This record gives sequence, C-alpha cells and structure tokens, in this order.
Amino acid sequence: DIVLTQSPGTLSLSPGERATLSCRASQSLSLNFLAWYQQKPGQAPRLLIYGASSRATGIPDRFSGSGSGTDFTLTISRLEPEDFAVYYCQQYGSSPQTFGQGTKVEIK
Amino acid sequence: EVQLVESGGGLVKPGGSLRLSCAASGFTFRIYSMNWVRQAPGKGLEWVSSITGGSNYMYYTDSVKGRFTVSRDNAKSSLYLEMNSLRAEDTAVYYCARDRTSGGYNSLNAFDIWGQGTMVTVSS
Repeated sequence: DIVLTQSPGTLSLSPGERATLSCRASQSLSLNFLAWYQQKPGQAPRLLIYGASSRATGIPDRFSGSGSGTDFTLTISRLEPEDFAVYYCQQYGSSPQTFGQGTKVEIK
Repeated sequence: EVQLVESGGGLVKPGGSLRLSCAASGFTFRIYSMNWVRQAPGKGLEWVSSITGGSNYMYYTDSVKGRFTVSRDNAKSSLYLEMNSLRAEDTAVYYCARDRTSGGYNSLNAFDIWGQGTMVTVSS
C-alpha cells in the first residue's frame, strides 16, 4: 500500500498568513492522482483539490495544489477564519487508495 | 440539491451485525461508482469499500473482506453496507461518498460529495 505522510502535524498561524501543507508518498503516484480535503469538527470532508492541482467546484482560488511524483503541496495563500480545520491528502492512483494522517491548521 | 444521507448506525456487540444505508438525491445515481469511508474517533480517514454503477465490481479494504458486503439499488438511488462479525476496531463514523467522475470501473477516484456520516459503535 502507498503510505502518505503529511507534515507538519499541526500548523499554528494567524488569519491573513500563508499556509503550506506537505504530503509525501512512499511511491510515485500514477498520473498525479492526489486529492486534498478539508474537514471541520463534526462535519464530513470537503474536496478541495484533485489531480494534484485542479480546484474542485466552488473552491476559492486562495487554495492551490502543486507537486508531482512523491511530493505534493497544498497552499492557502491568505488564511480566512473559516480555513482553520484539518486537511487530508488522498492518493487514488494505486489500489487501495489511501489517506494521509492529516494536518491541523489552528489559530495562533 | 445533490445530497447523500446515511442511516442505520448504532451500538452493536462484538460479533454482531449492522446494515448501513445511504440515500442519494439530486443526481443520476446509477452512473456513479459509490464508496464507503470511515473515521474512527479522533483518527483519520480510511477507505472501506467501493461499488461500480452497475454493481459489476465491488472492492474492499483487506480488514473488512469476508465480513462486509457493499450493494446498491439504483431504482431506489440507495447504497448499502452490510457489516457482519463486527469488531471493536470497526467503531467509526461511516460516510458514503460519490466518485468525482461518472462511469468509473475501479476503486480509484477522488470523492466530491459526502454524506453527513452515521456512527457505528462496537462494544459489549
């Protein structure tokens, strides 16, 4: 199985700051099949990015994804109050699809 | 409005059974593969099972093979997960989720629509 390692575990930032989240895969991902999700307490995950860099429908352009092979990044250009949440990466290029352990973005 | 609504969760003893349901609305259910994803309390996300639109293919994570069965009824726009021989480690919120693209034939896709989840607790 492909293992996804997210870093850091927790990111403490202030509104307006830039957030950079990392997701590293144990093997190169087929066709960059990497997605990012946002999850707030008590809510279901929300798809932000698919195909490593394509924004899902309705996702603000302050969210961007980049990377290829084994190293991927989610960037939030300027944190809004509603962006403080847990973020998960998911690889869907190799069976079984797997998720990272999550990065919590908290208010500093 | 595109929506998924899960039901059927609850408290069950180890070794027991439970059947989860997911009612879909607002989209052409039969053309999308559907999935179950679970999240243990305070933990991350884990893919559990997928089923293609026409029920031709079903896929499972290793830890539930032989115990869980995924099915669907396209006439009712509903997805099901039959869970048998339940263990404490199956305790989680179970989400149903839709493949982002239609017509898939494997278990590999991003998930663009999620239900609110249903809690399954396995405890004596």
